[in-house]
Amino acid sequence: RKEVEQDPGPFNVPEGATVAFNCTYSNSASQSFFWYRQDCRKEPKLLMSVYSSGNEDGRFTAQLNRASQYISLLIRDSKLSDSATYLCVVKIQGAQKLVFGQGTRLTINP
Amino acid sequence: ETGVTQTPRHLVMGMTNKKSLKCEQHLGHNAMYWYKQSAKKPLELMFVYSLEERVENNSVPSRFSPECPNSSHLFLHLHTLQPEDSALYLCASSQDIGTSGGWALGQFFGPGTRLTVL
Repeated sequence: RKEVEQDPGPFNVPEGATVAFNCTYSNSASQSFFWYRQDCRKEPKLLMSVYSSGNEDGRFTAQLNRASQYISLLIRDSKLSDSATYLCVVKIQGAQKLVFGQGTRLTINP
Repeated sequence: ETGVTQTPRHLVMGMTNKKSLKCEQHLGHNAMYWYKQSAKKPLELMFVYSLEERVENNSVPSRFSPECPNSSHLFLHLHTLQPEDSALYLCASSQDIGTSGGWALGQFFGPGTRLTVL
C-alpha cells in the first residue's frame, strides 16, 4: 500500500464549479499535513498546511480526519488559474522527510 | 536572489560524463533535500541534509553523490548515469527546529534541473 494515495484524475471541471480532492495516508504516526500545487514543468509550491481543526484560505478549505486517515481539499468558485496538479504531502513523526502523493491533476475549463 | 535557486536549469549529458547540479537557498534554512521527479511518478526523496549532515540516503545508486559544504549550498555530483536517470531534479530547503511549528511552513523548492542522459 502506498504511504500517501491520491486519485490521479484528471479532473476536468467548468470555471466557477466547486471541486474536492481526497487523499489517504497509511502511517498513523503522520504528524503534519500539507497541500502543494505544481504547475506544468514547474516546481511544487506550498498551497496550505492542514490543521486538525480544518482551515480555510480564501476559496480553499482543507480538512483532516485522523480517525479515517484522510485529508481533503475543497476549491470553491474555481478559476482558470487553479489548473494544476495538487499534491498531498505528509510528514511522519520522527522522520526528517516529507512523503508526497502522486498528485491529482485538475483542469478548469472556460 | 531570493528563495531557492538551482543551476543549471537544463542539462544534457552522455553516460560517461561527469557533471554537478548546484542548489543554493537564501532563506536561512538549516535542512536541504534532493528529490527526483520522473514522469507520472510521485516525487522521490533522494537525500536529506540537516545542519550540513546527511541524515537520509534513500537507497540512491552511488552514481549520485551529494555534497553539502554549508547550510546554504547543496550539490549533486553525477557520473556514469543511465538513460533512466533522465528526470527533473528538485532541491528543497526547510527550517527544521525539531518541533511541528517549524514544519508548518513545509519545504520550499527550487525550479529544478531538467536532466537528459543520452
